[in-house]
Amino acid sequence: DAKTTQPPSMDCAEGRAANLPCNHSTISGNEYVYWYRQIHSQGPQYIIHGLKNNETNEMASLIITEDRKSSTLILPHATLRDTAVYYCIVRVRTKTSGSRLTFGEGTQLTVNP
Amino acid sequence: GAVVSQHPSRVICKSGTSVKIECRSLDFQATTMFWYRQFPKQSLMLMATSNEGSKATYEQGVEKDKFLINHASLTLSTLTVTSAHPEDSSFYICSARDWGGQSYNEQFFGPGTRLTVL
Repeated sequence: DAKTTQPPSMDCAEGRAANLPCNHSTISGNEYVYWYRQIHSQGPQYIIHGLKNNETNEMASLIITEDRKSSTLILPHATLRDTAVYYCIVRVRTKTSGSRLTFGEGTQLTVNP
Repeated sequence: GAVVSQHPSRVICKSGTSVKIECRSLDFQATTMFWYRQFPKQSLMLMATSNEGSKATYEQGVEKDKFLINHASLTLSTLTVTSAHPEDSSFYICSARDWGGQSYNEQFFGPGTRLTVL
């Protein structure tokens, strides 16, 4: 799986948009970009994933650059409960492929009141 | 949907004893479950991949005789830490892969089990 690079920490004001970047310059054509987050002392929570088109769900939006070498996770209106470590992971997504997720160090997002 | 539970959520044991942690997929069948370990201020590290009805596949450096994994049904996998020592104290997290529905092949994580070995 391709390696990802994320800033170690970010701060965001409550109510503002949080934009979390991720670099994955070695991503291959069949690898998806996944985002998970982990609130302190809890298991990781799936947020969103995408291949090349921008994606949006009830939690967040995922913007993937045209060359797919980087992406941004957007939390449109951050709340205090969004304080967590956010992990960007790239991997192949097929029914028969291995599903191992390799977690990097992630970005510690702190939402401030 | 796609809920994974773990039991217990927290356990304290004496050195030398064995501890069993259960991981259950509550509303889906999981042919594959994964066990991770997380030390304080570190990221998750995959320990092993558990496939229903077959032997688990362990990551390099993980002792299979110390961390026994059993995946006897499509909704339950167990991790037994045998002869636990203080250095085994960690946060153990399982995940299950959902084969069915729209979320096929996605992994959903349990809430984790905090193990403290005295």
